[in-house]
Amino acid sequence: EAGVAQSPRYKIIEKRQSVAFWCNPISGHATLYWYQQILGQGPKLLIQFQNNGVVDDSQLPKDRFSAERLKGVDSTLKIQPAKLEDSAVYLCASSLKLLQYSNYGYTFGSGTRLTVV
Amino acid sequence: AQSVTQLDSQVPVFEEAPVELRCNYSSSVSVYLFWYVQYPNQGLQLLLKYLSGSTLVKGINGFEAEFNKSQTSFHLRKPSVHISDTAEYFCAVSPLSSGSARQLTFGSGTQLTVLP
Repeated sequence: EAGVAQSPRYKIIEKRQSVAFWCNPISGHATLYWYQQILGQGPKLLIQFQNNGVVDDSQLPKDRFSAERLKGVDSTLKIQPAKLEDSAVYLCASSLKLLQYSNYGYTFGSGTRLTVV
Repeated sequence: AQSVTQLDSQVPVFEEAPVELRCNYSSSVSVYLFWYVQYPNQGLQLLLKYLSGSTLVKGINGFEAEFNKSQTSFHLRKPSVHISDTAEYFCAVSPLSSGSARQLTFGSGTQLTVLP
């Protein structure tokens, strides 16, 4: 099966500019996650969608970050305006709703590496 | 809330030697446990998971981990490492839930470097 697709792979922007990342999950996966991975740290959950509804966005800096999943399939994460500390890899993951699948249904994309200068 | 502590940020080891990467967690509820590997410029790949049953879990690439509930640990082991095992390894937990919220909480990672 096709994996989780993310684009772009790399992005360099100046601080105070805006940027958007795109994610297309595995077909049929109802749950979609965005994680932020700062260099030297483990990934941190930013937001979780179930279909097109938000399940948890408690760790999303809502003053500058926004995300949407309008049709319950692909998703966009936006940062506006960007700060230097937003430099990180942004990982998208998707999972099946039900637990009883052998691989736990949790698949990550390759990520978008953002550098803010 | 859950937290994960990976006690070693870097582990250098010679090829064909055994290795253990340590992971301890804290949680007020029961959790599932995972180890992920991340090769440079790639996404996270699941190595193994503990959901229930036998506390010794075998994963891909010859790795295994043992769940110790009393010590709240889930250490990763491999009896003989290869150069190709050089990567970042992340321990993660997820709370048992009947709902759809199965979020992962990650440790800060351990960089395993296999030396020739």
